[in-house]
Amino acid sequence: GQQVMQIPQYQHVQEGEDFTTYCNSSTTLSNIQWYKQRPGGHPVFLIQLVKSGEVKKQKRLTFQFGEAKKNSSLHITATQTTDVGTYFCAAPDNYGQNFVFGPGTRLSVLP
Amino acid sequence: KAGVTQTPRYLIKTRGQQVTLSCSPISGHRSVSWYQQTPGQGLQFLFEYFSETQRNKGNFPGRFSGRQFSNSRSEMNVSTLELGDSALYLCASTPFLVGAYNTEAFFGQGTRLTVV
Repeated sequence: GQQVMQIPQYQHVQEGEDFTTYCNSSTTLSNIQWYKQRPGGHPVFLIQLVKSGEVKKQKRLTFQFGEAKKNSSLHITATQTTDVGTYFCAAPDNYGQNFVFGPGTRLSVLP
Repeated sequence: KAGVTQTPRYLIKTRGQQVTLSCSPISGHRSVSWYQQTPGQGLQFLFEYFSETQRNKGNFPGRFSGRQFSNSRSEMNVSTLELGDSALYLCASTPFLVGAYNTEAFFGQGTRLTVV
């Protein structure tokens, strides 16, 4: 079935450093979503990308959808301790019936 | 607008027992999806209910079942619990079928199930 890979699995950064997580699929995606889960919390929707090459920004977060719509990235500029959590990408399965979540990238920010 | 409510928040059960988890979606949302989250497997899709019917099912054994009521509230049942069923069970609500509109999902706080 549909698989969505994410790298890295873990990332430790010093506060103020940048952070990027990558999401890859072997098949073309109709769209991709990003979620954030704080420690002890639940996934919270961040954004959805639909168009090839799309770039969206939310304050310090920049989301990109690849030209081939097979990969996506989330970049955080100047991380803060509030950015701590696990970031998941999610994409429709092969049948477009439900979303398949990537394994997530766990971000730790050292003050 | 109230969010997605899951009860109970924590459960401890013994192997072989069964358990029922509840999820109340956001008012007006008709689709409820269930996920199992474990450190090793990440977020795994269990099933989706829409208009009281199971529309999609993930790759889980028949011990995992669910239902949805006319008010869109959903329950998930796990029978003959195994140690490996220990996990955080999350439900997510969307206004429509997830696949139909690729809409964002609103997650509940989850139920932390521990099987001993």
